[in-house]
Parts: sequence; C-alpha cells; structure tokens
Amino acid sequence: DTGVSQNPRHKITKRGQNVTFRCDPISEHNRLYWYRQTLGQGPEFLTYFQNEAQLEKSRLLSDRFSAERPKGSFSTLEIQRTEQGDSAMYLCASTFYGTANIQYFGAGTRLSVL
Amino acid sequence: ELKVEQNPLFLSMQEGKNYTIYCNYSTTSDRLYWYRQDPGKSLESLFVLLSNGAVKQEGRLMASLDTKARLSTLHITAAVHDLSATYFCAVDRRVETSGSRLTFGEGTQLTVNP
Repeated sequence: DTGVSQNPRHKITKRGQNVTFRCDPISEHNRLYWYRQTLGQGPEFLTYFQNEAQLEKSRLLSDRFSAERPKGSFSTLEIQRTEQGDSAMYLCASTFYGTANIQYFGAGTRLSVL
Repeated sequence: ELKVEQNPLFLSMQEGKNYTIYCNYSTTSDRLYWYRQDPGKSLESLFVLLSNGAVKQEGRLMASLDTKARLSTLHITAAVHDLSATYFCAVDRRVETSGSRLTFGEGTQLTVNP
C-alpha cells in the first residue's frame, strides 16, 4: 500500500474555469476527508465521507464546490467557476473509523487561480 | 465553535536545547493529534492522545494531554536539525449528528540551528 494518492499535484487555471481533483485513499479505509490549507495556516476541514455517503460539509464549502465518492473508493473534489480566493493546497486524508482514527494525508493538490 | 491555539507560532532554537510547544483548545474533545509538516510536503502523523494524562514518546519528542486544562504539550529534548518543520496539533470533535473531523491549530514553525 502506497498511502493516500492525490492527482494532480499542481493545477494552474484561469479564473472562471472548472477544476477537478482526485483522491485515492488507503484501501480498506472507510472514511475520506478533504481539507484546504493556505500558506502559513493549518488545514481547514471541508467535507468527509463514510464509504460513499457524504456525512458533513463545512460552511467553507460553497455551492461552487462539490465532492463525490462513488462506490466508496476514490473521491473527486470539483470547483466550479474558480476564483482567486480558491488558490490553496487541497489535502485529502483517509482513516479506518475506530478507536484512534488517525488520519493519513496525501501530498495534496496545489491550486493556483490566475 | 471549537478553537485550537498553538504557541509559539515561530520557534528558533539551538541544537541540543529543550523546548515545549503548547496547544490549547476550547471545548471538550475525544482525541488530540500531533502532526509534522515539512515544507512543500503533506502532514505526517506523530502522536494520538486518547485520554487525560496520556503521554506518548518517540525519539526526542514527547506529547502529553491534560483534558481538564484542555492543554496538550509537545516537548522537544536535545533538538537536532532534522526536527526543523512545522508542527500542528489537531483536535477531533465528535459532531452530534454523525461523526468527527479535525480542527487544526495554526502550527508552530520550528527551526533548529546548528
């Protein structure tokens, strides 16, 4: 198992374009989380899934953001009509929900909106 | 709303010295985590603390948790250059409806000088 995988690693887009990121969690992990991290800050929670069900969304997740986890495996995060304020590192994490619930993070997708 | 505060935010120390990073949080929590992040990289799990009085140690790092004071500490013993990184504490707060998510502190950027 190679850990949590995110693609692409970097994405540069123009304002107003749509972008989609993919996250492949550690196999057998039933929970998958998306976070956003800006420079000099800690990650901020966006949303999470248990299997294929999206159980919670942060108020940070505007209606331009949508996330899916079909079949409870990989997940995608789409941002429509990107804005410069969307520029950030988007991190995915997964865990097997139990006692310790340690979340294992991917390397992230760095989004730059020009 | 759960708030997590770390101090100091920036720490420059000499090799061989000891220091402590503090993490305060505002509401009752089930679990507290410490992560390390190197520049341009993702987050690496260091410790998970599950109960009052819990203490975990790995190499030159030791973490402890006081749930009554809502305080966790990360103690660095005889620092070495390889410990230079940003350290985050994160609190897992169960959401009444369905599950949990992590709220992160701002991070402590540690630089160990030879």
